[in-house]
Amino acid sequence: TQLLEQSPQFLSIQEGENLTVYCNSSSVFSSLQWYRQEPGEGPVLLVTVVTGGEVKKLKRLTFQFGDARKDSSLHITAAQPGDTGLYLCAGRSNTGKLIFGQGTTLQVKP
Amino acid sequence: DAGVTQSPTHLIKTRGQQVTLRCSPKSGHDTVSWYQQALGQGPQFIFQYYEEEERQRGNFPDRFSGHQFPNYSSELNVNALLLGDSALYLCASSLASAPRWYFGPGTRLTVL
Repeated sequence: TQLLEQSPQFLSIQEGENLTVYCNSSSVFSSLQWYRQEPGEGPVLLVTVVTGGEVKKLKRLTFQFGDARKDSSLHITAAQPGDTGLYLCAGRSNTGKLIFGQGTTLQVKP
Repeated sequence: DAGVTQSPTHLIKTRGQQVTLRCSPKSGHDTVSWYQQALGQGPQFIFQYYEEEERQRGNFPDRFSGHQFPNYSSELNVNALLLGDSALYLCASSLASAPRWYFGPGTRLTVL
């Protein structure tokens, strides 16, 4: 069974601080995705990483895929209150379905 | 271009009842997946429909069933509701040839 473990589960920080969220698995995934979900809405795709060692940047967000394609990280620089939400990593299984981590709830205080 | 829509938004049922949730995929999409998301947790895959057939199924009991219609819309049915079925039910759609998933806002089901 392919599983994804996210850490930390909860994060409460002040505006302007940096943070990193981790997503780890014992299984290899062909690709990993990061989603952000706000209350009352469905997850929205932020990025897909495919190649081991790949780094992608989306404004203040930096995503990295591990060399062995078993782990990924999301780093946010100078967090803002608008970054508040549930961050989810998801791996594409060998049958094509998405397997989600348990999520990281981020609260950024002004 | 309408995204994925789901109805109803909220639903309250009692134990033992049956419920039907509905999903209309994003325009042009032919594949629909359903997920269950407990509060503060990640979504769990229930099943996926393509060409009106269930193609994949997650670790959910037979009380959970679904259907896809010729217009690609889909229904999720849950029989004999349990308290533990209380969750946000998400529908996601994609194009089978280009599998990027778009999620709907979900249906919040409360079982009392």
